[in-house]
Amino acid sequence: GAVVSQHPSRVICKSGTSVKIECRSLDFQATTMFWYRQFPKQSLMLMATSNEGSKATYEQGVEKDKFLINHASLTLSTLTVTSAHPEDSSFYICSADMTGGITDTQYFGPGTRLTVL
Amino acid sequence: DAKTTQPNSMESNEEEPVHLPCNHSTISGTDYIHWYRQLPSQGPEYVIHGLTSNVNNRMASLAIAEDRKSSTLILHRATLRDAAVYYCILSGTYKYIFGTGTRLKVLA
Repeated sequence: GAVVSQHPSRVICKSGTSVKIECRSLDFQATTMFWYRQFPKQSLMLMATSNEGSKATYEQGVEKDKFLINHASLTLSTLTVTSAHPEDSSFYICSADMTGGITDTQYFGPGTRLTVL
Repeated sequence: DAKTTQPNSMESNEEEPVHLPCNHSTISGTDYIHWYRQLPSQGPEYVIHGLTSNVNNRMASLAIAEDRKSSTLILHRATLRDAAVYYCILSGTYKYIFGTGTRLKVLA
């Protein structure tokens, strides 16, 4: 149980284009989902917290107009990287916090490798 | 800043037990201690979590100090597939702050 999927697993795009990444909780409902970014040889950095039906909360230094987050249902959150540039190339990982859970355990997706040319 | 500190790397021989330490001296009473591991190019995998008492599951054991200021993840018999970066994380304010983790190398 507690499976989170991401789609696509990897994407290559041209500079200036937008890319959408989907995060789904497959067997549980998630009121809250999180988006992380991980550069090579580094740890995960939280980008934003996504709450179903409301606006996302972004961490300091993360541009909300560049990284659009939508959490339209209890099982789906999307991250759109707008006008992507090579410096946005990274490994993007989402996680989901099970609705009603009391231990704040997050379940992570497999990640999406974004390469911007 | 991460609320936990871990050694950067550790080595273990295959089939031997591994004890991965984590210090969290500023833990609050409502913080759970979570452990995850991450293989290259994959998302973190949940390993175990606990609050005050020691915990066991099919993957590992978690030993929590009486004052809760430190914990130890125990892999009873390390295999090559256990080679990964292990993260110790406190929850309680709903969001995770990842430290650098411990890179575990398992020697055949």
